Amino acid sequence: EVQLVESGGGLVQPGGSLRLSCAASGFTFSGYWMHWVRQAPGKGLVWVSRISGDESSTNYPDSVKGRFTISRDNAKNTLYLQMNSLRGEDTAVYYCARRSASGGWFDYWGQGILVTVSS
Amino acid sequence: EIVLTQSPGTLSLSPGERATLSCRASQSVNNNCNCLAWYQQKPGQAPRLLIYDASSRATGIPDRFSGSGSGTDFTLTISRLEPEDFAVYYCQQYANSLWTFGQGTKVEIK
Repeated sequence: EVQLVESGGGLVQPGGSLRLSCAASGFTFSGYWMHWVRQAPGKGLVWVSRISGDESSTNYPDSVKGRFTISRDNAKNTLYLQMNSLRGEDTAVYYCARRSASGGWFDYWGQGILVTVSS
Repeated sequence: EIVLTQSPGTLSLSPGERATLSCRASQSVNNNCNCLAWYQQKPGQAPRLLIYDASSRATGIPDRFSGSGSGTDFTLTISRLEPEDFAVYYCQQYANSLWTFGQGTKVEIK
């Protein structure tokens, strides 16, 4: 059974940093692109970052480029999101998601972890 | 960036009725596929994949859910609403390396 379990969320002050983790199980982790998606309270889904299976390529939207870094440790079956220079608008539930092996859609999602940026 | 616009924002229907949700892209999402997916999200839960490549149902999704469209205009149809179908629905495009979602359509009980 495919499982994705996020951790590392919490309360952080504006300008601070936080690293999220996503532990994967039930599939060959290194064979899949992985993504982070966030959802501000009461708002819609926003794609945050993507990494290839072999870590050779990453993508970010302009809203987080230069502040967030996606990475992975295939030996530990774990995905990471390093978030620096955090702002109030980064407050959201963060989901890790697996890109399907057959195409660009997301076939499995974690349960999400809340990040709150506030003083 | 491809912008996805969903309509209506809210759909108020009764169980057993047909739901028709629209998703319009700011430019074509055809790139060796009709690169559009639909997800369902219930309160406090992660999104669940319903439809990919515009019209293919994901594993385990009931056949009352169907997707159609190509290019810039797409539709998700729920043929007869069941009580568990009342939720928020998002479209998503994966035609390029900047994935985007629509703002969502809430299907609520009338």
